[in-house]
Amino acid sequence: EVHLVESGGGLVQPGRSLRLSCAASGFIFDEYAMHWVRQVPGKGLEWVSGISWKGNDIDYADSVKDRFTISRDNAKNSLYLQMDSLRPEDTALYYCVKDRGAGYAYGDSWGQGTQVTVSS
Amino acid sequence: EIVLTQSPATLSLSPGDRATLSCRASQSVGGFLAWYQQRPGRAPRLLFFDSSIRVTGIPARFSGSGTGTDFTLTISSLEPEDFAVYYCQQRSKWPLTFGGGTKVEIK
Repeated sequence: EVHLVESGGGLVQPGRSLRLSCAASGFIFDEYAMHWVRQVPGKGLEWVSGISWKGNDIDYADSVKDRFTISRDNAKNSLYLQMDSLRPEDTALYYCVKDRGAGYAYGDSWGQGTQVTVSS
Repeated sequence: EIVLTQSPATLSLSPGDRATLSCRASQSVGGFLAWYQQRPGRAPRLLFFDSSIRVTGIPARFSGSGTGTDFTLTISSLEPEDFAVYYCQQRSKWPLTFGGGTKVEIK
């Protein structure tokens, strides 16, 4: 069974940084693309970033480009999101999402999310 | 970016009713559209991908259809566990985008 566990969220001041992690298990991690998707409580979903199985193909939403960096460590079955220059509008629940395949870009398994709150 | 518009925003129905949810894209996405269900307090769950391919384990009362700019998710007879929010998502063009969601609530 696929298991995705996010960590690293918390309360942070505007302009500061935070690094999210996602520990994956139950599947062959280095065969699948991975994504981060966020959701403001009570609001809709926003795709944040995606990374190919090998880590050499990466995309970002315009709202986080040049501030967030996605990466993965296939040896550790882990996905990361480095978030710099955080803004209040980055406040959301951040989900780690497994792609259907190497790059289908559909999320077929989701973690429970980690809350990020940006506030002074 | 491709904008997905879902309608209606809220659908008030009774168990046993038929639900028809719409997702319209600002430009053609071909058949590259998915549907997700999100129950309160839960993470989203993939129901369909490539418009009409049902994910293993999704009941047959759910069906997906459409191509180009107009897509539909149909629930033939609502069960109590189907009352939730439904989102569409396109993968035709980066960045990936989601629709704003349709809430199916109990009338």
